[in-house]
Amino acid sequence: DAKTTQPNSMESNEEEPVHLPCNHSTISGTDYIHWYRQLPSQGPEYVIHGLTSNVNNRMASLAIAEDRKSSTLILHRATLRDAAVYYCILRPTTSGTYKYIFGTGTRLKVLA
Amino acid sequence: NAGVTQTPKFQVLKTGQSMTLQCAQDMNHEYMSWYRQDPGMGLRLIHYSVGAGITDQGEVPNGYNVSRSTTEDFPLRLLSAAPSQTSVYFCASRTPGNEKLFFGSGTQLSVL
Repeated sequence: DAKTTQPNSMESNEEEPVHLPCNHSTISGTDYIHWYRQLPSQGPEYVIHGLTSNVNNRMASLAIAEDRKSSTLILHRATLRDAAVYYCILRPTTSGTYKYIFGTGTRLKVLA
Repeated sequence: NAGVTQTPKFQVLKTGQSMTLQCAQDMNHEYMSWYRQDPGMGLRLIHYSVGAGITDQGEVPNGYNVSRSTTEDFPLRLLSAAPSQTSVYFCASRTPGNEKLFFGSGTQLSVL
């Protein structure tokens, strides 16, 4: 299974943009890139996903490198409620594989 | 619409005891999975199922059994609990054609 690499922790000031990086150099052509976040004492929640093109939704934007070996989750204006652990994972789509493999994630701290 | 429901929320076991962690979803999701999360760590996949009667192993399946007799339920069984199984357990589900994974709120298990 392809692996992802993320920084252990990052800090951001409130109301500023946050760019969370993820390296996935062994990604295959059919792997989806997913981002989830986990607030304290809660289960993970879906943030965004993409395959090749950049994606936007109400929570965040996902920028995918042209070679797909890295991606960046962008929170446009961080709030205190965005403090969480953010996981970048690859979801393979080859037949018979349905494994969402999580890494250790990036702990985002938002400073007031 | 309750989503993914896990019971119990908390459980304390003695070494060697058996128990079943329950997971139910009311979204008619075919894919269901179990993860464990140790303190300060990411999530590790235990078992998953792509439909009733079909299960497969994840990253850390030893010590756990699963079965899938209905679309709605995916119980996780610990036949002989060990202290190494002390963890928070999360159940997740999704439907084909939708990449979004839905998580339950977790079961915190302590094995003494």
